[in-house]
Amino acid sequence: KAGVTQTPRYLIKTRGQQVTLSCSPISGHRSVSWYQQTPGQGLQFLFEYFSETQRNKGNFPGRFSGRQFSNSRSEMNVSTLELGDSALYLCASSRFEGTGELFFGEGSRLTVL
Amino acid sequence: QKEVEQDPGPLSVPEGAIVSLNCTYSNSAFQYFMWYRQYSRKGPELLMYTYSSGNKEDGRFTAQVDKSSKYISLFIRDSQPSDSATYLCAFSPYSSASKIIFGSGTRLSIRP
Repeated sequence: KAGVTQTPRYLIKTRGQQVTLSCSPISGHRSVSWYQQTPGQGLQFLFEYFSETQRNKGNFPGRFSGRQFSNSRSEMNVSTLELGDSALYLCASSRFEGTGELFFGEGSRLTVL
Repeated sequence: QKEVEQDPGPLSVPEGAIVSLNCTYSNSAFQYFMWYRQYSRKGPELLMYTYSSGNKEDGRFTAQVDKSSKYISLFIRDSQPSDSATYLCAFSPYSSASKIIFGSGTRLSIRP
């Protein structure tokens, strides 16, 4: 059974640009969550989606947005990139909404120059 | 006081040793307790997921929860070099991805 797939794995952007990250959950999983991981702040929750609806949003500025498609695939977008947005962005899927049993992808490592 | 405290390590032990990893928390509303393992350049992998106080065993791994002391532990028996990774404790007041609070992680190295 394929795991959570995230693309791209690595990317470099410059300040002011925008970026879109993609996540394909495990087959049959309908809930997708996004996290930001940095050495200083650790893992921080960004969004949670279920059935194409955003269920919860973390404490991040409006530059961070996301969506989920009917096939449960999800994308997140960061606009007007700042240096502090450099991080590992992790997507996690779960079979049901409202469960803490998360299955993470390998992440997309974003570097902002 | 931080909501979750986890010693960052690094912790280095010889192969075959018993490893004890610990976290403390201050939020008495936490009801779900998790341990994740994260290898370098990989995403976290769920190891243990528990709801109540007590012990839960899975192979060489045992998770222990003491709600009265607000303290959780992960024990690894017969440690192997492949166990070398960062271990993250995680807590949630209810079963929801949005409410999980992660510890900062303990880097573990098993020496052959």
